[in-house]
Amino acid sequence: DAGVIQSPRHEVTEMGQEVTLRCKPISGHDYLFWYRQTMMRGLELLIYFNNNVPIDDSGMPEDRFSAKMPNASFSTLKIQPSEPRDSAVYFCASSLAGPGNFYEQYFGPGTRLTVT
Amino acid sequence: GENVEQHPSTLSVQEGDSAVIKCTYSDSASNYFPWYKQELGKRPQLIIDIRSNVGEKKDQRIAVTLNKTAKHFSLHITETQPEDSAVYFCAASFSGSARQLTFGSGTQLTVLP
Repeated sequence: DAGVIQSPRHEVTEMGQEVTLRCKPISGHDYLFWYRQTMMRGLELLIYFNNNVPIDDSGMPEDRFSAKMPNASFSTLKIQPSEPRDSAVYFCASSLAGPGNFYEQYFGPGTRLTVT
Repeated sequence: GENVEQHPSTLSVQEGDSAVIKCTYSDSASNYFPWYKQELGKRPQLIIDIRSNVGEKKDQRIAVTLNKTAKHFSLHITETQPEDSAVYFCAASFSGSARQLTFGSGTQLTVLP
């Protein structure tokens, strides 16, 4: 299995521009998570989906952030308009129920976003 | 909601020595406790996990212990090697409801040659 795939790996954009991050979860996984990682705030859960349906978006910082999962193999995280404080590494992770109904999460390589 | 505290934030050990990282959690309903290792510039990778029905789990040089009464769990690395240098994150989750993990703030482990 190729694991969780994210693109782009690096994104540099100017303040005010729209940014779209993409994620392909591991085939067959039914949960997908978007995280943001910064030195100051650590790993923060932004939103997660179950069977393509958003379950909890309470971690989305503000209305400039939106996420979609149109099908089981693709999700996007969009920031519009972007701001310098959005600079971070964004990780996507996916999981599947295992024995005992526990959910091991597997992370993608991340997208390093820099907003100037 | 769940709150996970992790200590220490940085840890330096000599190669060959042991390292211990400790975490506490607040939600007594949490029953799944994974540990992730993140090398510089790379993704967090699951290295070991423990479920609340056991008190200890070992995998070669790595072990985790869980004390449900005290609501704390620990990662033990024995015979440390330079390649163990990384940031380690603990996390907690309750499988019966929401599936999200609550992460600790991370421990930067440095193994000195």
